[in-house]
Amino acid sequence: ETGVTQSPTHLIKTRGQQVTLRCSSQSGHNTVSWYQQALGQGPQFIFQYYREEENGRGNFPPRFSGLQFPNYSSELNVNALELDDSALYLCASSLGGQGSNQPQHFGDGTRLSIL
Amino acid sequence: AQSVSQHNHHVILSEAASLELGCNYSYGGTVNLFWYVQYPGQHLQLLLKYFSGDPLVKGIKGFEAEFIKSKFSFNLRKPSVQWSDTAEYFCAVNALNFGNEKLTFGTGTRLTIIP
Repeated sequence: ETGVTQSPTHLIKTRGQQVTLRCSSQSGHNTVSWYQQALGQGPQFIFQYYREEENGRGNFPPRFSGLQFPNYSSELNVNALELDDSALYLCASSLGGQGSNQPQHFGDGTRLSIL
Repeated sequence: AQSVSQHNHHVILSEAASLELGCNYSYGGTVNLFWYVQYPGQHLQLLLKYFSGDPLVKGIKGFEAEFIKSKFSFNLRKPSVQWSDTAEYFCAVNALNFGNEKLTFGTGTRLTIIP
């Protein structure tokens, strides 16, 4: 079974630029969640996609946006990058739906550095 | 909104010592509870989970956790730690009334085992 894969592994951008991060969910999973993990902190929920629809959003501004594709892979887009966006971005997939009670499986993350 | 507190930021133990890491959450409704572990250079991995039933749950590698609803706690325990348990440990909660699988994480506890 293939796990959650994220690309790229590392990325360096400058303030004001835009970035797209990609995630392939684990086989059989239909739900993808994105998290931001700043240094020394726990992951913070950005948003979740279930069957191509946004299904919950954390306390992040609209310049953080996402997509989920029919094969359940996902993208996280961040516009107008700021220095505080420097973090590890984690993707997690699960088999979702009401009462599914399935845990999330995490990828290795994308380390984003803003100069 | 739910929150998770992990009071131990860095714990240092000798091999064979017993371990207990604290986790408290704030949310009055029904929750699913998780412990994730992040070994150096690796992705977050599920250690154990509580959904319902027996409040004492057993996970991988000899870890267990007890859900005490009256104390809003879900402490992680291991009777005898090994050097290979050196890692960062994260407690997480999913509040079931929001219709999604958003995980709220604590800030993590770094565990260092001295051989």
